[in-house]
Amino acid sequence: LAKTTQPISMDSYEGQEVNITCSHNNIATNDYITWYQQFPSQGPRFIIQGYKTKVTNEVASLFIPADRKSSTLSLPRVSLSDTAVYYCLVGDNTNAGKSTFGDGTTLTVKP
Amino acid sequence: GAVVSQHPSRVICKSGTSVKIECRSLDFQATTMFWYRQFPKQSLMLMATSNEGSKATYEQGVEKDKFLINHASLTLSTLTVTSAHPEDSSFYICSATTPSRGTPYEQYFGPGTRLTVT
Repeated sequence: LAKTTQPISMDSYEGQEVNITCSHNNIATNDYITWYQQFPSQGPRFIIQGYKTKVTNEVASLFIPADRKSSTLSLPRVSLSDTAVYYCLVGDNTNAGKSTFGDGTTLTVKP
Repeated sequence: GAVVSQHPSRVICKSGTSVKIECRSLDFQATTMFWYRQFPKQSLMLMATSNEGSKATYEQGVEKDKFLINHASLTLSTLTVTSAHPEDSSFYICSATTPSRGTPYEQYFGPGTRLTVT
């Protein structure tokens, strides 16, 4: 399973765009990149998933360069409720998406 | 759609007893379920992979005789913590995946179960 590395913490202010980058140098051909959000005492919640280039949904964008060794989650105009831990997962698509969680990034949004 | 439930949400048990945690996929059939454990202010640690109708695959360092996993149907997996000790107190989270939800696989997580062993 590919190991992921993210910044331990980030601070932002309401209304700003936040970009969190994840490094996954050992990503395999069949692996997909998925980002999750977790609030205290809750299970992780799916944010976005991608394989390469750019993916956008109603809450975030995911940028993946051609070599796929990193990915960047972009959250537009964050609010206080976006304060949470964000995890980047690299899922083995040949093994039902089996993944190893890294340490995650604790995002704190300030007023 | 893609809802995963866990029961109970919280449980307190005495040291030496066993406790069972259920993980259910409510609106889809999950061929694979994963069990994680999370200690306070730490990341999720994968404990085991559970496939319907077969024995679970445990991660290195996880005692299979202590953490019994059963995946008897496509919508239910159970984790039994046997002879629980205070150090087993943790937040246990399951996730479910299935190819019928589309490719690639996406893990749908349950809300977690807080286990406290006294």
